[in-house]
Amino acid sequence: EAGVAQSPRYKIIEKRQSVAFWCNPISGHATLYWYQQILGQGPKLLIQFQNNGVVDDSQLPKDRFSAERLKGVDSTLKIQPAKLEDSAVYLCASSPRDRGLVSLDTQYFGPGTRLTVL
Amino acid sequence: AQSVTQPDIHITVSEGASLELRCNYSYGATPYLFWYVQSPGQGLQLLLKYFSGDTLVQGIKGFEAEFKRSQSSFNLRKPSVHWSDAAEYFCAVSNTGNQFYFGTGTSLTVIP
Repeated sequence: EAGVAQSPRYKIIEKRQSVAFWCNPISGHATLYWYQQILGQGPKLLIQFQNNGVVDDSQLPKDRFSAERLKGVDSTLKIQPAKLEDSAVYLCASSPRDRGLVSLDTQYFGPGTRLTVL
Repeated sequence: AQSVTQPDIHITVSEGASLELRCNYSYGATPYLFWYVQSPGQGLQLLLKYFSGDTLVQGIKGFEAEFKRSQSSFNLRKPSVHWSDAAEYFCAVSNTGNQFYFGTGTSLTVIP
């Protein structure tokens, strides 16, 4: 089966510009996650969707970050305007369930998008 | 609040030697615990997970981990390391509230 797809793989922008990342989860997976991984750190959960509803966005900087998952399939994460500290790898992951012990599901990660903000 | 600590930033082992990567967590109830591996240029891959039952969990690629409640630890082990095991290893914790936290990772170097 196809894995989680992300694009672009790399992006370089200047501060105050906007940028968008796209994620296509594994077919049939109900839950989708966006993580931010700063160099030398572990992934930090930004937002979690179950189908097209937001479950957790407590760590999403909502003044500049936004995400949507229309129709409960693919998702877009946007940053506007970008800051230097947003330089990181943005990871998308998906898992099968949308109810019950969702936290126990294996998350399948995409290759990530490496963002550099100059 | 939950947290995960991986005390070792970097570990070097010889090929064929045994390996133990440390992970400590902070959580009031029994957590769900995971180990993921991130190889260069690849996405994170689940090695194993624990949520109840037998405290010794077997995973893929010959890895195992032991949950020790008294020590709040979930250390990852492998009896004999292969050169292909060189990667970044992340411990993670979750709960029934669907919140997910990763540690800062341990980078493993394997020398011939």
